[in-house]
Amino acid sequence: RKEVEQDPGPFNVPEGATVAFNCTYSNSASQSFFWYRQDCRKEPKLLMSVYSSGNEDGRFTAQLNRASQYISLLIRDSKLSDSATYLCVVTPDTGRRALTFGSGTRLQVQP
Amino acid sequence: GAVVSQHPSRVICKSGTSVKIECRSLDFQATTMFWYRQFPKKSLMLMATSNEGSKATYEQGVEKDKFLINHASLTLSTLTVTSAHPEDSSFYICSARDNTFSNEQFFGPGTRLTVL
Repeated sequence: RKEVEQDPGPFNVPEGATVAFNCTYSNSASQSFFWYRQDCRKEPKLLMSVYSSGNEDGRFTAQLNRASQYISLLIRDSKLSDSATYLCVVTPDTGRRALTFGSGTRLQVQP
Repeated sequence: GAVVSQHPSRVICKSGTSVKIECRSLDFQATTMFWYRQFPKKSLMLMATSNEGSKATYEQGVEKDKFLINHASLTLSTLTVTSAHPEDSSFYICSARDNTFSNEQFFGPGTRLTVL
């Protein structure tokens, strides 16, 4: 079983749509959780951290359910510029700090 | 935000040659840097953790004699792919952890290696 699992997509949605991505992780000792965005042939960029209480940044809302080991990302009012691959990322332990990446969910927002 | 650079951004080489990739933190110090590899349409996979002043820690299945890592200063780590083969062709990305922010990692722009 992969440490971090995501639906690879692609998700093809029209501009203005709301889209949700899900992610599950296998290591219950995981400490930190993130969503990164990666554009084609570029490095990943941090989109937002994910907290147990849930957090929102503009059109983006992230949720964490530790009991179910489940992370979600909601994008409202999709823009063309949101087209990218969204990576669910966890830090497996407190010491090493290396990131474990999901394989990503590809989003294509269409006009 | 903090900036991490990688050099070169793209390299094409012949089988059997060695390629060195540099990762620099430009405006912060990084005791720890990480090297990842990403094959097309696949996830980033951690190859090794580079520790300033000490030996790198390699992930299972990554050959330390093939992927040489040197982290000689708080702002520079290098990855050398020795005796490169076509199957080493990949996107290599480094990240650096800011010593002052324990959870913040900053990624370099990546190096695309093509081995002919």
